[in-house]
Amino acid sequence: AQTVTQSQPEMSVQEAETVTLSCTYDTSESDYYLFWYKQPPSRQMILVIRQEAYKQQNATENRFSVNFQKAAKSFSLKISDSQLGDAAMYFCALLQGGSEKLVFGKGMKLTVNP
Amino acid sequence: GAVVSQHPSRVICKSGTSVKIECRSLDFQATTMFWYRQFPKKSLMLMATSNEGSKATYEQGVEKDKFLINHASLTLSTLTVTSAHPEDSSFYICSAREGWQTTEAFFGQGTRLTVV
Repeated sequence: AQTVTQSQPEMSVQEAETVTLSCTYDTSESDYYLFWYKQPPSRQMILVIRQEAYKQQNATENRFSVNFQKAAKSFSLKISDSQLGDAAMYFCALLQGGSEKLVFGKGMKLTVNP
Repeated sequence: GAVVSQHPSRVICKSGTSVKIECRSLDFQATTMFWYRQFPKKSLMLMATSNEGSKATYEQGVEKDKFLINHASLTLSTLTVTSAHPEDSSFYICSAREGWQTTEAFFGQGTRLTVV
């Protein structure tokens, strides 16, 4: 069975600082994809970043980057230069290759303090 | 990214009535659509997966006679909550994926259902 674990229910960060959100996962497949989604107060789910398991290079999207540790099954998200608009729920998700279903972690609430 | 439109964003209905929620892919053909339910401060719980022209596949514990899903075209899926009860009050979210080989899913804005 595939699982996604986000052990920190809440975090806070000062504006302009850097914060790292942790995520671990478990899958028996070698072909899979990992995602971080953001859900702001509007409740709209927004894709932040994705990582293909076969790629060794960590994905980066502007201020967002991941630390993908395949052997440790860890997939953390780093947000640099945090902005007030980054405040949201963040969900880590796993998609096994050949599967249709995204498996989500429980989510983590990020607060950005001015 | 691609746009998925979900309507209505909020709906209030009386117990015992049915309510329909629409999910449309506006600029792509959605081979597969998903319906989720999200309780307050909780993660998304997958209810069912629907492929265009086929019957939906429901997750264990989800009553298919209560939550009717129709995916009649490549741009539209509907979720009908039948004989709604207050415990059906929740936030419902749809997502859509284009094609069989793509991995990215796009999400609708969600629907807040309140049953009174």
